[in-house]
Amino acid sequence: QVQLVQSGAEVKKPGASVKVSCKASGNIFTNYYLHWVRQAPGQGLEWMGIINPSGDRTTYAQKMQGRVTMTRDTSTSTVFMEVSSLRSEDTAVYYCARRDVRGAFDYWGQGTLVTVSS
Amino acid sequence: EIVLTQSPGTLSLSPGERATLSCRASQRVSSSYLGWYQQKPGQAPRLLMSDASSRATGIPDRFSGSGSGTDFTLTISRLEPEDFAVYYCQNYGSSPYTFGQGTKLEIK
Repeated sequence: QVQLVQSGAEVKKPGASVKVSCKASGNIFTNYYLHWVRQAPGQGLEWMGIINPSGDRTTYAQKMQGRVTMTRDTSTSTVFMEVSSLRSEDTAVYYCARRDVRGAFDYWGQGTLVTVSS
Repeated sequence: EIVLTQSPGTLSLSPGERATLSCRASQRVSSSYLGWYQQKPGQAPRLLMSDASSRATGIPDRFSGSGSGTDFTLTISRLEPEDFAVYYCQNYGSSPYTFGQGTKLEIK
C-alpha cells in the first residue's frame, strides 16, 4: 500500500512555529523529491517548496523564504515542514506530495490543518 | 513565474454532458509539463493528467487532455456524478510550480 501519512491537526498562536511531518510507506520515498502545498480555507492550491531525495537541497516559494524549512529523515522515510512566525494568513491545510519521474504530483498526503489563532 | 488562468470559474452541467475546461499560461509551459488535478471536498487533490495529455493510473478514458505552449484543455466526454468537483491545472516544468485558481464543476 503506497501512502503518505501526515501528522495531526495543530492550533498555534500568532508568532509561534509549527512542524508538520509526512511519513511514506511503500516504495515511494527513496529517490523521489517531495513537495509541500497548502490550501487556505475555501481557496486554491499554493506551492510552498520542494526537497530533494537526500534532503540536502531545497527550493522554497519566494513568498515563504525565510519562514519555511523543509527537512528529511531518510532513515524513517519522513519529511518535515516547519513554518515560523505564524500569522493568521497561514491558517490552511498543508499537504505533502511526491514528484513523479516526469514532475507531476502523483501521491498526496491526507493533509494537515494548521489553525493560527490568538 | 508562470501564471495559470483557468476558465470558466464555475461550470454548471448535467450528468451525461460534455465538459470543457480551459487553462491558459502567461508564458510557454516547457515540454508541456502541465498537469490536471481533481479535488473533492475534504480530500487531497488527485492527479488526473500529466504532460498535458497522459492519463494517470486508474483515470477513466472519459477524461482527456490536450494543448501545448500556453493553451491547455481538459475534456470530460460524458459526466458521471462523481466527476463534479474542483479541477486545477498546474505547471510543473519550472519553479515556482504554480497552480491555476481552479474551475468548479457543479451539477446543473
